[in-house]
Parts: sequence; structure tokens; C-alpha cells
Amino acid sequence: AQSVTQLGSHVSVSEGALVLLRCNYSSSVPPYLFWYVQYPNQGLQLLLKYTTGATLVKGINGFEAEFKKSETSFHLTKPSAHMSDAAEYFCAVRVGGSNYKLTFGKGTLLTVNP
Amino acid sequence: ETGVTQSPTHLIKTRGQQVTLRCSSQSGHNTVSWYQQALGQGPQFIFQYYREEENGRGNFPPRFSGLQFPNYSSELNVNALELDDSALYLCASSTDGYSGNTIYFGEGSWLTVV
Repeated sequence: AQSVTQLGSHVSVSEGALVLLRCNYSSSVPPYLFWYVQYPNQGLQLLLKYTTGATLVKGINGFEAEFKKSETSFHLTKPSAHMSDAAEYFCAVRVGGSNYKLTFGKGTLLTVNP
Repeated sequence: ETGVTQSPTHLIKTRGQQVTLRCSSQSGHNTVSWYQQALGQGPQFIFQYYREEENGRGNFPPRFSGLQFPNYSSELNVNALELDDSALYLCASSTDGYSGNTIYFGEGSWLTVV
């Protein structure tokens, strides 16, 4: 069975600083990896995903993530934080087959200080 | 805007009652899944419907049941409500095909059980 660990339930950065949100996964087969963002009282919005091919994936709002198989990691980064990036971020994994189940981490709350 | 709509957005029920939550999937999507997100947690997979048949289920008791209709809209029913059922219930839709397809989430239905 697959699992996701997000290191750090709360990350605080200053506006303009680098954002780094950590995600490690466990899967016995090649995974599909996703990052979702959730703003207060809203549903989940896809930021980016890795399926196959290029391991550096670019998403919306200037975010990107790199799939590192040897480290079983899929960390999310953004070079310069903006106040509007404050939200909860979820890393998720899905494996192949007809079951589309997403397994989520517990989330990381990002706060951006002015 | 993901094209996935859910109703109602908020509701309060009494312990022991039954509740039905509804979801309209994005146009062209034949797969609907439901997730439960307790406060401060990541979403947990409840079950998935593909072309009106349940084809995947998470670790939830049988009092959680669902339906998918010919137009691919869906319902989640929960019987004998318990206090721990208080959560955000998220509906998600996707197309069939390989598991790298994006899953699109609705805004969710907030259920409070008192």
C-alpha cells in the first residue's frame, strides 16, 4: 500500500523568500504524484502532477516540484513567496490500475509574513 | 472553477440521523470518488464509482454508501450518523484511462453532527 509523509505541519516564510514544502512517499510500484492546494473553506485545487517523463514538473502560480526516485521524494518549491500563497498544501500519491484512489499526506499549512 | 459542484454546502444533523450529499461531475467525466476530510487532516478516500458501479472502497463502514447515476452525477449517503462523521466531504471526478489523469475536486459539503 502507498503512503505519503509531509514533513512539517506548519511552514512560515517571509514574503519574497523561498518556499520549500517536503513530501516523501512510499510505493511498491512507480507512483503518480500530485500537489494540491486548499484555501480556507474551499476544495482542493491541483498545483501540479508527475506522471512520467521529465522529473522536474512546473505548475500553476510559479510552483514546481522534482520527482527523485532514489530519495522517494516530491518536494514543492517556489522561488519567491507571495502573500496569496498562504494556504494548506497536500501531497498525494496514486498508483496504476483502475482504482483512482488518491492517498494524501496530512498537509502543510503555509503562512507568509509581510 | 473545476466544474464539479456539490450540494448542500453546509448542513447540521443530529446523531443517529441519515444524510445525503450530492455531486455533479465535470462534463465528460465518468468516474466519481468521495473523500472525507476531518478538521486538520488530509482527505481520506471513501469510495469510487465508475460507470454506475462501485469499483474501489476505502476503510469506511457499510453505513457509508453511494450511487452514481447514468449522467454520472453521484450521491453519498451516510446512515446512523456519529459525532466523528463531522467533516468536509469532497467529491471528485475524472475521466477513465490511465491513473495519471487529473482528479478534479468540488468545493465540498461541510457536515456537522451534533
